Amino acid sequence: QLRLQESGSGPVKTSETLSLTCAVSGVSISSSDYTWGWIRQPPGKGLEWIGDYYQDGKPEYNLSLESRVTISVDMSLNQISLRLTSVTAADTAVYYCASELTGDRAGHYADWGHGILVPVSS
Amino acid sequence: VLTQSPDSLAVSLGERATINCRSDQNIQFNSNNKNYLAWLQQRPGQPPKVLIYWASTREPGVPDRFSGSGSGTAFTLTINNVQAEDVATYYCQHWGSFGQGTKVEIK
Repeated sequence: QLRLQESGSGPVKTSETLSLTCAVSGVSISSSDYTWGWIRQPPGKGLEWIGDYYQDGKPEYNLSLESRVTISVDMSLNQISLRLTSVTAADTAVYYCASELTGDRAGHYADWGHGILVPVSS
Repeated sequence: VLTQSPDSLAVSLGERATINCRSDQNIQFNSNNKNYLAWLQQRPGQPPKVLIYWASTREPGVPDRFSGSGSGTAFTLTINNVQAEDVATYYCQHWGSFGQGTKVEIK
């Protein structure tokens, strides 16, 4: 069974870099059956797509975050990483990693991690 | 862009809840006639969970009181015989776009 577990270094100060990792178990992140994504949810608000990492190694990002975000993978550790630079209070959110099936079943995230709250403050 | 309506609704136990999702573009793929629209349920304090994909296909284990319909640009999630455990916010999703969410409460 596929499981995703987010982890990070805790609260982040304004203008610094947010770094999160997502440990994947139950499947290899190099599997062509999956695309890996990050989504966030500010407290009390809706879901916002951050970006996806595709198996061709070419990530796609939300245009509103593209200049500040990097999604990468570490095949040896079977984990996905998220970096968001120059954060502000508006980046305070629960951050989720999620998996998307490829092929006909694509288009939505089938499995989600439990999420991690990252507060940003001065 | 996906737009849901209403933003919230309160229903009595055992009644029906209807949530709408409208896309600003046709999301039916010509190659396979599938509508790539999913419905997610997010209970308080929990991550989202997929209920329905391809607009009307239930994920295994999802109660059959949940059903999805629609095609092209207009979609509906119907919850028949609403139960207490259905209190949640429901989102539609198409690739990297989410609706704003509809909060379902018990009257």
